[in-house]
Amino acid sequence: ETGVTQTPRHLVMGMTNKKSLKCEQHLGHNAMYWYKQSAKKPLELMFVYSLEERVENNSVPSRFSPECPNSSHLFLHLHTLQPEDSALYLCASSQEVGGSYEQYFGPGTRLTVT
Amino acid sequence: DAKTTQPNSMESNEEEPVHLPCNHSTISGTDYIHWYRQLPSQGPEYVIHGLTSNVNNRMASLAIAEDRKSSTLILHRATLRDAAVYYCILRDRSDWAGANNLFFGTGTRLTVIP
Repeated sequence: ETGVTQTPRHLVMGMTNKKSLKCEQHLGHNAMYWYKQSAKKPLELMFVYSLEERVENNSVPSRFSPECPNSSHLFLHLHTLQPEDSALYLCASSQEVGGSYEQYFGPGTRLTVT
Repeated sequence: DAKTTQPNSMESNEEEPVHLPCNHSTISGTDYIHWYRQLPSQGPEYVIHGLTSNVNNRMASLAIAEDRKSSTLILHRATLRDAAVYYCILRDRSDWAGANNLFFGTGTRLTVIP
């Protein structure tokens, strides 16, 4: 596998379920990100990790809980979500944090909350 | 991060060059100019980025105005696979945390006509 992979690609969950999204990068990067892309809205940054340390948390509700066990893996744990949380969740990585580094995105997980 | 302005949509004939403009009149000296694109039902894809000098890679060229208040993404020969939404984004090199708020605006939707 190359690049950034995400699993699952599609997820349907009820409001009382608990699920996790997984992201893996095979690029040797030190920074990883979670983004949310809702229909007809700009991409929203959720979390930033640098060398497994969280460096940014954009006022995301606590029902979203990130975990970065090592620099290659990133998880997003979901619990008691709302229907408005239905969106495309994208993972990305970059060599380091900072504006001079490009980000590489995974294909995303299409989440539907029923 | 400073704002960018792009046309909502553009069309190009297949195998012809495409010039996608971006205005960023409030750009600061430490802002990098990044371009990403997003194909339907896929995550964003990095295209190219630069600071002051023109840049070339296997995907495209980036022409940056001398005053850096505008830039142009050049696809040398458009193919049907280039049909996507193209986003021009400014990323501050010095703000290592906030610089990662890769906020995509509405971008330019490129249609390639066979």
